[in-house]
Amino acid sequence: NAGVTQTPKFRVLKTGQSMTLLCAQDMNHEYMYWYRQDPGMGLRLIHYSVGEGTTAKGEVPDGYNVSRLKKQNFLLGLESAAPSQTSVYFCASSYSSLAGAYEQFFGPGTRLTVL
Amino acid sequence: GNSVTQMEGPVTLSEEAFLTINCTYTATGYPSLFWYVQYPGEGLQLLLKATKADDKGSNKGFEATYRKETTSFHLEKGSVQVSDSAVYFCALSDTGGFKTIFGAGTRLFVKA
Repeated sequence: NAGVTQTPKFRVLKTGQSMTLLCAQDMNHEYMYWYRQDPGMGLRLIHYSVGEGTTAKGEVPDGYNVSRLKKQNFLLGLESAAPSQTSVYFCASSYSSLAGAYEQFFGPGTRLTVL
Repeated sequence: GNSVTQMEGPVTLSEEAFLTINCTYTATGYPSLFWYVQYPGEGLQLLLKATKADDKGSNKGFEATYRKETTSFHLEKGSVQVSDSAVYFCALSDTGGFKTIFGAGTRLFVKA
């Protein structure tokens, strides 16, 4: 099992450029998430999905779009990158459980710099 | 709304010292509580969890007890190693469980 994988690992963009970050998981998890991590601010939820074909906004969704066309993939798009979107982006997935303890499994992260 | 507050770092300890990282939470209902660890250059990984009051989660020598009366979930380890140097995140998932709220993280440095 590869777990959660993210591509690319690093990327440098110029202001106004667009890009897509890809997340893939092979654990058959229903739930997937995109977070950004900034110094001193922990993890902030950008968007999430509770199943194939569904997405929802998190805490900081502005400037980002997502799609979940296949259960195993969750894409994060930046249509017009801004320097404020310089960050480390993490994808995560989790399973549904009757016990209610929803552990999340994280990918290795994508470090994005917007100049 | 739900929130998690953990002690600010960095925390610097010598090898074999005792570790405590404080975490308190605000939540309605009966959340599940977690500690995640992030090693340099990696994503977060689950360290331990507790799903109800008075539960004790433990893993790799780390422990935390879910205290509903004090709304706390403090992380402890009796003897830290250099390899424990990392960032530690306290987190909770609300009732219904598919969203997790993370604390700001506490960086731990362990000196040989």
